[in-house]
Amino acid sequence: KQEVTQIPAALSVPEGENLVLNCSFTDSAIYNLQWFRQDPGKGLTSLLLIQSSQREQTSGRLNASLDKSSGRSTLYIAASQPGDSATYLCAVSPNTGNQFYFGTGTSLTVIP
Amino acid sequence: EAGVTQFPSHSVIEKGQTVTLRCDPISGHDNLYWYRRVMGKEIKFLLHFVKESKQDESGMPNNRFLAERTGGTYSTLKVQPAELEDSGVYFCASSQAVWGTQYFGPGTRLLVL
Repeated sequence: KQEVTQIPAALSVPEGENLVLNCSFTDSAIYNLQWFRQDPGKGLTSLLLIQSSQREQTSGRLNASLDKSSGRSTLYIAASQPGDSATYLCAVSPNTGNQFYFGTGTSLTVIP
Repeated sequence: EAGVTQFPSHSVIEKGQTVTLRCDPISGHDNLYWYRRVMGKEIKFLLHFVKESKQDESGMPNNRFLAERTGGTYSTLKVQPAELEDSGVYFCASSQAVWGTQYFGPGTRLLVL
C-alpha cells in the first residue's frame, strides 16, 4: 500500500526566503505526482503535476522535482511571499489506478 | 469556466440521520472522484466515476455510503445512517483525461453529532 510522507509538518519562514518542501512515497510504481495548495476553509488548488517520466516542472516561482527511483519529490518556492502561506499537499497516482494517495501536508507560514 | 462545485458547504446532522452530498464537476470532465479527510488524517480516496460508471470504488468505507452519477453529470454521495466517525471534509474532484490533472471542489464539511 502506498504511503506518502511530508516533512516538515509545519514551516515558518521570513518573507523573501527560498524554501524546500519534501515529499516521500514508499512505492515507486507511480504514474504521476501532483502538488496542491490548500488555503484555510478552501478546496485544493493544483500547482504542478509531474509525470513519472519527467524530472521536474516549473511554474513561476515554483519548481517541483521528482526522483521516482528514490521515492522523493521536492517543491521549491523562490522568494517566498506572505500570500504563499497555506498548506501544501503532495499526492501520487499509482500505475494501477487513477486515484491519488495524499500526504498529510506541510503548513507554511511566510512572515512579512 | 466554472470550477468544481459542491453542496452543501457545511452539514451538521445527528447520528443515525441521512445526508446527501452533491458534486458538480467541470463541464466536459468525464472523470469524477470523491475523497474524504477525517480530522488529523490525510485525504483518502473513496471512488472514481468514468461518466456514469464506477471505475474504482475500493476506498468506500462500508455499505452505508452510496455514490451515484446518473447521466454522467453531477454526482451524489449519500451516507445512511451517519455515524460519528463519518465526520470530516468530503472533497470532489474531476478531470478531463483519466490520468490528467484533477481539479478539486471546496469540499463539504460534515459533522455528525
